[in-house]
Amino acid sequence: NAGVTQTPKFQVLKTGQSMTLQCAQDMNHEYMSWYRQDPGMGLRLIHYSVGAGITDQGEVPNGYNVSRSTTEDFPLRLLSAAPSQTSVYFCASSYSLGRSDEQFFGPGTRLTVL
Amino acid sequence: LAKTTQPISMDSYEGQEVNITCSHNNIATNDYITWYQQFPSQGPRFIIQGYKTKVTNEVASLFIPADRKSSTLSLPRVSLSDTAVYYCLAKRDNYGQNFVFGPGTRLSVLP
Repeated sequence: NAGVTQTPKFQVLKTGQSMTLQCAQDMNHEYMSWYRQDPGMGLRLIHYSVGAGITDQGEVPNGYNVSRSTTEDFPLRLLSAAPSQTSVYFCASSYSLGRSDEQFFGPGTRLTVL
Repeated sequence: LAKTTQPISMDSYEGQEVNITCSHNNIATNDYITWYQQFPSQGPRFIIQGYKTKVTNEVASLFIPADRKSSTLSLPRVSLSDTAVYYCLAKRDNYGQNFVFGPGTRLSVLP
């Protein structure tokens, strides 16, 4: 199993540009989520999905859109990039939202917005 | 909603045992306590999880007292490769669904 994969690894955008961060998992996990991590900080939840066709907002959803058309894929779209969105983005998945379920994280995408 | 509280940083030397304590005073009855490890430029990785008493795996031990208001992650005989940030998770967000990550404890293992 490849686990959770993310592309690209690095990206530089100009203010106002849009782009999509890709996330895929091959573990047949129902639950997927996107976090952002700013320097020296913990992870903050952006959006999450409890299954195909179902998404919801996390702690910091503004400026981001998500969709979940398949169990495997959960892309994160930046609508109009801003310097405040410079961060490292992590995608994670778990079998369900059970209280003891382990989350598996991808390697991250490092995004810089100029 | 009270988040978990853990030391911001700790230093240790190779070969020592390291104990990182996390406070979670308002933990819900059904919540588990989970610890993740994060190396620089990588995503967090699950280390250990427990509900009460003691849990041990090949990487660490987790001690949870009866009142469950705190927990201690124990790393036996640390090496330089254990230098990382360690997150204690015990609280859900206001939706009752998602774990909340705090800033974690930055462990530096010195030679």
